[in-house]
Amino acid sequence: EAQVTQNPRYLITVTGKKLTVTCSQNMNHEYMSWYRQDPGLGLRQIYYSMNVEVTDKGDVPEGYKVSRKEKRNFPLILESPSPNQTSLYFCASSSGTPWDTQYFGPGTRLTVL
Amino acid sequence: QQQVKQSPQSLIVQKGGISIINCAYENTAFDYFPWYQQFPGKGPALLIAIRPDVSEKKEGRFTISFNKSAKQFSLHIMDSQPGDSATYFCAAIDYKLSFGAGTTVTVRA
Repeated sequence: EAQVTQNPRYLITVTGKKLTVTCSQNMNHEYMSWYRQDPGLGLRQIYYSMNVEVTDKGDVPEGYKVSRKEKRNFPLILESPSPNQTSLYFCASSSGTPWDTQYFGPGTRLTVL
Repeated sequence: QQQVKQSPQSLIVQKGGISIINCAYENTAFDYFPWYQQFPGKGPALLIAIRPDVSEKKEGRFTISFNKSAKQFSLHIMDSQPGDSATYFCAAIDYKLSFGAGTTVTVRA
């Protein structure tokens, strides 16, 4: 089954404790991206990647890091999480460009205490 | 700042009624306008999309109307069904996706 998977689905952590949210797709997609969803703000793009080793900032990249060492994986790293990063995070992928249909993962609910 | 302004924040419609969601933008570099549907606990999924050289696109009960001069576009859900209850996001793309804030639609049986 073609899908985007994220792990973990739920995470409660404390301020400053480094964490990684994994994202993997099995559709051989080139374009991958991370979003955060907050009430009243919709989805805001954090980082995106056009291909392996090619990443760029979205609209809200502060406090986040990404890497794209393999085509299928695009982990999101929070090196020193803060309470304002409490949010619902989505990974998405598409075949090649932002204009192609974005396939979203199931989301990761992160709470930073 | 939100590049795409979406309204209303929520709406309630009776089964069989019409739901209308509106979006507006300023950036004339946007050249593709998709709508995504999100059910509780799920990621968004593409519903329908339109290019700015087209004024209307219809897929089943879902229609996008696009007004390029006004920089506005809207989603109409005809004959709304309880299964349409979801959050709907408009979006606009130049080289990145910019999403609206979302509209929660509740269809009462």
